[in-house]
Amino acid sequence: GENVEQHPSTLSVQEGDSAVIKCTYSDSASNYFPWYKQELGKGPQLIIDIRSNVGEKKDQRIAVTLNKTAKHFSLHITETQPEDSAVYFCAATTGFQKLVFGTGTRLLVSP
Amino acid sequence: EAQVTQNPRYLITVTGKKLTVTCSQNMNHEYMSWYRQDPGLGLRQIYYSMNVEVTDKGDVPEGYKVSRKEKRNFPLILESPSPNQTSLYFCASSQSRLRSTDTQYFGPGTRLTVL
Repeated sequence: GENVEQHPSTLSVQEGDSAVIKCTYSDSASNYFPWYKQELGKGPQLIIDIRSNVGEKKDQRIAVTLNKTAKHFSLHITETQPEDSAVYFCAATTGFQKLVFGTGTRLLVSP
Repeated sequence: EAQVTQNPRYLITVTGKKLTVTCSQNMNHEYMSWYRQDPGLGLRQIYYSMNVEVTDKGDVPEGYKVSRKEKRNFPLILESPSPNQTSLYFCASSQSRLRSTDTQYFGPGTRLTVL
């Protein structure tokens, strides 16, 4: 089955810096890769996703890139703000199998 | 407001005392799921349901039961809780019972401590 690895487990940046979180997956048939953000005391919430027919997707300050050959995808946050502090989860699926999550990255943005 | 609700949000109990965590969604979603979140392990699926009266095991089903008698509700039952079930639990739902590419909507979580 699918296995998703996520790095780093913790990431500290200064406000205004960029943050990058990386994930690798094992199943070459996976074609959908969402990212979820979990704020303190809340459940995860979808922030961006990408499908295998595109290599990059942007939404304001966040972007996701996908390299299907290498089987890895990344979340990029530019101009980080304190409210970006949260736990971020990547996930992967073939579309007809369950969603498999990474182990999470705790992002801390210091003012 | 479209949402997934869970109750209770916090629970401290003792080994062996049966408990139920309720989950309800108001979006008429077919697919519902339970996850547990543990440090360093991420989100692991316990059970899922593709529709009323249809449930199946996830990755870590041991020690848990579920039922889906109504479309909106998906309770998680711990018949005889043990300390290794101390965790943060999330219920989630999504529109389709067939496509895991549909957005999953998560509840606020239930923090369970078993002494």
